Amino acid sequence: GENVEQHPSTLSVQEGDSAVIKCTYSDSASNYFPWYKQELGKGPQLIIDIRSNVGEKKDQRIAVTLNKTAKHFSLHITETQPEDSAVYFCAASKGSGYALNFGKGTSLLVTP
Amino acid sequence: DAGVIQSPRHEVTEMGQEVTLRCKPISGHNSLFWYRQTMMRGLELLIYFNNNVPIDDSGMPEDRFSAKMPNASFSTLKIQPSEPRDSAVYFCASSLAQSPSEQYFGPGTRLTVT
Repeated sequence: GENVEQHPSTLSVQEGDSAVIKCTYSDSASNYFPWYKQELGKGPQLIIDIRSNVGEKKDQRIAVTLNKTAKHFSLHITETQPEDSAVYFCAASKGSGYALNFGKGTSLLVTP
Repeated sequence: DAGVIQSPRHEVTEMGQEVTLRCKPISGHNSLFWYRQTMMRGLELLIYFNNNVPIDDSGMPEDRFSAKMPNASFSTLKIQPSEPRDSAVYFCASSLAQSPSEQYFGPGTRLTVT
């Protein structure tokens, strides 16, 4: 089955700096790669996703890149703010009707 | 839209007792997923349904766990008998089956088995 590896497990940055979280996957049939943000005491919230027919997607301060050949994808957060502090999860899926396979999560701390 | 609704939000029970967790998916969504989250194992898929039919239950830990989806707006996850190692946060998520895996999570049920 699909195996999703996520690094780093913890990340601390100063407010205003950029944060990068990287994931790799094993199943070349995977074609959908979402990122979730989980705040304390809440369920994961979808923040951005990318499909295998594009290499990069951006939404304000958040961007995701995908390299299908190397089977890795990354989340980039620019101009970080304290409210970006949370646990971030990457996931991979073969698409419609298939379950998500999650990475182990990255705990991001943005210090003022 | 109310989002995915789960109940109870917190459950504390003694070992050996039956536990039932409930989920109401987003109206119109036809896929439903049950996950378990622990510090050690992260987010694990337990089972998922498409159009009320169980598709993959390979993540269900053992026979003590069972899940049902009697209709499109309700699902239950039951643990009988419960054990301390079942302590975790259980999430329900829903999606449109034809929209590749854009899953929306509920707030979770924190289960503590003593």
